[in-house]
Amino acid sequence: KAGVTQTPRYLIKTRGQQVTLSCSPISGHRSVSWYQQTPGQGLQFLFEYFSETQRNKGNFPGRFSGRQFSNSRSEMNVSTLELGDSALYLCASSVDTEAFFGQGTRLTVV
Amino acid sequence: ILNVEQSPQSLHVQEGDSTNFTCSFPSSNFYALHWYRWETAKSPEALFVMTLNGDEKKKGRISATLNTKEGYSYLYIKGSQPEDSATYLCARNTGNQFYFGTGTSLTVIP
Repeated sequence: KAGVTQTPRYLIKTRGQQVTLSCSPISGHRSVSWYQQTPGQGLQFLFEYFSETQRNKGNFPGRFSGRQFSNSRSEMNVSTLELGDSALYLCASSVDTEAFFGQGTRLTVV
Repeated sequence: ILNVEQSPQSLHVQEGDSTNFTCSFPSSNFYALHWYRWETAKSPEALFVMTLNGDEKKKGRISATLNTKEGYSYLYIKGSQPEDSATYLCARNTGNQFYFGTGTSLTVIP
């Protein structure tokens, strides 16, 4: 069974640009959550999608958005990138109370 | 507020030593407590999911206990090995939303 796949693994963007990250969950999992990790911080919850609907949202500015497709794949978009958006972005697909993580996308904003 | 706190932030132990770290969380509205092991450049790997007060789980040399009334969980590693070096994350969840601590970074010195 394939795990959670995130693409790309690494990304370098310039301030002001926008970026789209992709997450393919484990087959059969309908819930996808996104997290941000910056140095010294734990995993901060961004949002969760279930059956194409955003079910929960963390405390992030509106520049952070996401969507989920009918095949449960999810994308996360960050517009008008800031230096502070440099982080590891993890997605997790879950069923019941277990979450399984991808390897993350390392975003560097210069 | 569902703050999850972990201590210590980092730990260095000699190979063969036993060690433990703490995860504390608000005890109200408890649903489940999760421990993850996260090695650099890999996905966080689920170790334990614990739901019942007094629960104790074991996987090889690693074990965990749970006290939901006072809001803490301990993770124990017996006879630490270099391959145990990783960041250990705990999280509590409400539904599919997980709240993570900042992790304990363990380094086992050969």
